[in-house]
Amino acid sequence: NAGVTQTPKFRILKIGQSMTLQCTQDMNHNYMYWYRQDPGMGLKLIYYSVGAGITDKGEVPNGYNVSRSTTEDFPLRLELAAPSQTSVYFCASSSRAYEQYFGPGTRLTVT
Amino acid sequence: EDQVTQSPEALRLQEGESSSLNCSYTVSGLRGLFWYRQDPGKGPEFLFTLYSAGEEKEKERLKATLTKKESFLHITAPKPEDSATYLCAVRYLGSGSEKLVFGKGTKLTVNP
Repeated sequence: NAGVTQTPKFRILKIGQSMTLQCTQDMNHNYMYWYRQDPGMGLKLIYYSVGAGITDKGEVPNGYNVSRSTTEDFPLRLELAAPSQTSVYFCASSSRAYEQYFGPGTRLTVT
Repeated sequence: EDQVTQSPEALRLQEGESSSLNCSYTVSGLRGLFWYRQDPGKGPEFLFTLYSAGEEKEKERLKATLTKKESFLHITAPKPEDSATYLCAVRYLGSGSEKLVFGKGTKLTVNP
């Protein structure tokens, strides 16, 4: 099993550009999550999903969008990138609303 | 006020020098406390889940314990490969729905 995979690993965006961060899991988990991690801060939940077709906002959803058309995939869309979105983004999945398994992260810089 | 506080922020140990990391929380309605290990440039790796006061879990040199308002991650005779940032997270019932909050982590360095 590959677990949770994320692409790309690194990306530099200009202010105002858009992009999609990809996340795929092969563990047949119903729950999937997107977090951002800033230096010296805890992980902040952006969006989560409890199953295909069902998504909900987390703590810091502004500037982001998600969709969940399949169990395996949970892409995160950034529209009109801003410097405040410079961060490391982690996708995670879990079989229940308990222990989560994380991907390797995407390091995003907006300049 | 942070709901989950980890201390110390950073800890340096000599190889073999045992110590403990602390995770304290102020939330009510605990549904679980989780410990993760995060290596530089990688995603967090799940270690333990604790559900109720008095519960303990062990894995190699690590032992996690839980009381009513805090958890400890005890590291016995650490090795350099135990160097990492250790995160705790608390799942609780808040405003009618379950929430998960992460602490900021403790960066552990074990010198040979």
